[in-house]
Amino acid sequence: EAQVTQNPRYLITVTGKKLTVTCSQNMNHEYMSWYRQDPGLGLRQIYYSMNVEVTDKGDVPEGYKVSRKEKRNFPLILESPSPNQTSLYFCASSPMTGLVADEQFFGPGTRLTVL
Amino acid sequence: DQQVKQNSPSLSVQEGRISILNCDYTNSMFDYFLWYKKYPAEGPTFLISISSIKDKNEDGRFTVFLNKSAKHLSLHIVPSQPGDSAVYFCAASATDDKIIFGKGTRLHILP
Repeated sequence: EAQVTQNPRYLITVTGKKLTVTCSQNMNHEYMSWYRQDPGLGLRQIYYSMNVEVTDKGDVPEGYKVSRKEKRNFPLILESPSPNQTSLYFCASSPMTGLVADEQFFGPGTRLTVL
Repeated sequence: DQQVKQNSPSLSVQEGRISILNCDYTNSMFDYFLWYKKYPAEGPTFLISISSIKDKNEDGRFTVFLNKSAKHLSLHIVPSQPGDSAVYFCAASATDDKIIFGKGTRLHILP
C-alpha cells in the first residue's frame, strides 16, 4: 500500500530534550516536506527536500533540522525543543512533475507536546 | 505577511447545493495551486489542482477556477454531500517549490 508513515504518532517531552520524528514513504517520491499545524494558523511548511542531500527552509524552519540521506526517509530533528514547538506535525511526499512539486501525500500526523 | 488567504474560517451549506470556497493570494510568482481536504485526526488529502496557464479544472463534483488578474481562486463542490464536511486548505507554489498553505475553511454540510 502506498503510504507515508510517521513515528511516533504522539509524543510528550520536556524542554531541551532532543527528539527525532521519523518519516518514510514507499512511493519513490523525490519531494518530501514537513509541516506544522496550529490553531488559527493552518499548515506552515518547516523544511522541504527536492531530492537526496537537497534540503531547503520553508516558512518556519527555526528550531528544526532535517536530513535526506535516502530517498524514502526525511526525519525531523528538534535539537532543543521548546514549548512553542508544541504542535501537530505532518510529513508529506510528492512526485515532481517537471519543475513543480505535484500533489502531496500526507502522513497521519505526530502530535508533539513540549512541557 | 500572509501570501495565501482564506478569509472565511467556516461555511455552512445545505446538502445538495453548491459549496464555494475562496482563496486569495498576493505573490504573482505562484504558478501552481492545489486544494486539500482534511478530516479530524487525519492528514490532508489532495483534491484538485490547477496550473497558472489554465483558468479552470474540473474533476467530478469538484471544479477549481483561477482568476490570475484578481489573484483569486475558488473551489466549487456540486452537489454538496455530507462527506464533504471537512476543513479545506488552499495551497500555492512557485518554481522554488516552497509551498504556502492558507489557514483553511471549515465546511459544514447541513442535512
